[in-house]
Amino acid sequence: DAGVIQSPRHEVTEMGQEVTLRCKPISGHNSLFWYRQTMMRGLELLIYFNNNVPIDDSGMPEDRFSAKMPNASFSTLKIQPSEPRDSAVYFCASSLQPGSYEQYFGPGTRLTVT
Amino acid sequence: EDQVTQSPEALRLQEGESSSLNCSYTVSGLRGLFWYRQDPGKGPEFLFTLYSAGEEKEKERLKATLTKKESFLHITAPKPEDSATYLCAVGDGNNRKLIWGLGTSLAVNP
Repeated sequence: DAGVIQSPRHEVTEMGQEVTLRCKPISGHNSLFWYRQTMMRGLELLIYFNNNVPIDDSGMPEDRFSAKMPNASFSTLKIQPSEPRDSAVYFCASSLQPGSYEQYFGPGTRLTVT
Repeated sequence: EDQVTQSPEALRLQEGESSSLNCSYTVSGLRGLFWYRQDPGKGPEFLFTLYSAGEEKEKERLKATLTKKESFLHITAPKPEDSATYLCAVGDGNNRKLIWGLGTSLAVNP
């Protein structure tokens, strides 16, 4: 069974450009999470969805960040415009049920903004 | 303020040299403590869930224990393939989120 799929795996872009990260959760999982990981701050939850509905986006750093989940098998995280301080590894994770803390992570997207 | 602290930040062991990693936490509405393993270039991989003080879980050379304020991940006779970053997280029942520690980077030398 396929795990969480993320694309692209690596993204290098210039400051000011739009970046879109994509995620396909595990089939049958009903919750999806977007995280950002840096050496200084570790894993930070940006937003999570239950049954495709955004529940908590309090971790989204600024209005430059937006996330959507149009259906149960696809989600996007968009940064527009991107800035160098957005450079990090972005992970998508899914869990079987809303409220479940057992999360399964994708391989991540390493974003570099120059 | 809800917080998870892991120690040490980094640990280097010789193959076969047993040791323990620590995760201390302060959180209201605890809904479990979770250990994950993260290999370089990969996402965290779930290892254990502990729900109540006194609970223990084992997997191969790893054993996780939980008290009211901290958890330990004991590594018995480690092998080089145990080298990874070990992350601890607690479930915050009030906000329905995981609160993460910064991890312990473990290196096991052959």
